Parts: sequence; C-alpha cells; structure tokens
Amino acid sequence: AQKITQTQPGMFVQEKEAVTLDCTYDTSDPSYGLFWYKQPSSGEMIFLIYQGSYDQQNATEGRYSLNFQKARKSANLVISASQLGDSAMYFCAMREGFSGGYNKLIFGAGTRLAVHP
Amino acid sequence: DTEVTQTPKHLVMGMTNKKSLKCEQHMGHRAMYWYKQKAKKPPELMFVYSYEKLSINESVPSRFSPECPNSSLLNLHLHALQPEDSALYLCASSQGTEDYNEQFFGPGTRLTVL
Repeated sequence: AQKITQTQPGMFVQEKEAVTLDCTYDTSDPSYGLFWYKQPSSGEMIFLIYQGSYDQQNATEGRYSLNFQKARKSANLVISASQLGDSAMYFCAMREGFSGGYNKLIFGAGTRLAVHP
Repeated sequence: DTEVTQTPKHLVMGMTNKKSLKCEQHMGHRAMYWYKQKAKKPPELMFVYSYEKLSINESVPSRFSPECPNSSLLNLHLHALQPEDSALYLCASSQGTEDYNEQFFGPGTRLTVL
C-alpha cells in the first residue's frame, strides 16, 4: 500500500533563513507524483510544487524547491528566504495512479511551520 | 478565473436538519473532489467526480450525498448528520488531462453539527 510520512509535527525558522520540511513515501508503482500544499489558518489548501517520478531534475518554483531522492524515497521541500507569511501547515501528498481523468492523493500528516521575526 | 468557490463558509446544523454545501469552478476542470478535514489532520478524500460521473466513493456514509449537476458545479447534500461529522469540508478541482495536474482547492465550509 502507498504511504506518505512526515515526521516533523512542528518546525520553526528565523525569517530570511532556509528551512527543509521532510517527506518520505512508499510505493511499488514505478509511476507516481508528489505534491506539496500549504494550508494557512484560513483553511484553503494552496498548491506549491510537483515532482514526477520520471522527472530528471528537481522541481523548483520561486522560493520553493524539492529535494527529490528517488533511491531514498524522499521528497523534501526546501523553502528559501523564509517570510512571516510562510507560517502555515504544509502537506506532502502522493498521487495514487492516474486514471479516468483524476488524481487520487494520499496526504501525509503535515508539518506546522512557524516563522519567527 | 482561477478559483474554486464554496458556500456557505460556515454552517451550523442540528442532527435532524437537511442542508447542502455548494462548490463551483469556472476553469473548465473535468474532475471535482470532496474532502473532509478534522482539526490538525490531513484532508480525507470522500468523493471524486470525473466528467460529471461519480468515480470514487470512499465508503462514505449515506447521510452524505454528492451531486454534480454540471461540469462547473458540485454539491454535497447533508442529512441526519452526527456531531462527529463536524469538520472542514473542502472542495477541489483539477484539469484531469495530465497526471501532474494539481488540484485547486476552495476555502472550505466549516460545519458544526449540534
């Protein structure tokens, strides 16, 4: 069965510093995808970045980058130059197949990030 | 328009009430999703509609009844709920054409069942 693990319930970082949020996964499917979402206290889930299992390069989107280590089955999110607005819950999710035109996502437990001034 | 809207934002209902949650998107997405999220937990998938047909029902109790009247609209009808059904209900949509299509989420409806 597919599984996503986020081992850090909470993290804190000083403003302007970089922080890494850990995510490990387990799957026997050779084709899979990993998504990171941010959920502020308002509740809305905001898509940050995607990494496909066959992608040769690590994904980057602005201040977000993904440290993808396929052999280790890890897909850690790196946030550079943290801002106060980055304080939120962060979820790692894995796509469980793709059929019929939809993605079924399995979410990790999440990591709550607090950015301190 | 790149957003998913949900109404109402908050809902309080008794166990004998019937209410509905509404979700709308105008991005031309063909897949729409309902999630339930309890406090400090990740979202849990409830239903998936693809091309207006129910594709996934994650063994959700029949007191939750989804409906997809057209490609832009998704409803969740609620009847005879229990207090443990109190949660944040999130709607999402995705383009449905590629495996990397992300899901766009609405702001959610915070439901309290008394």
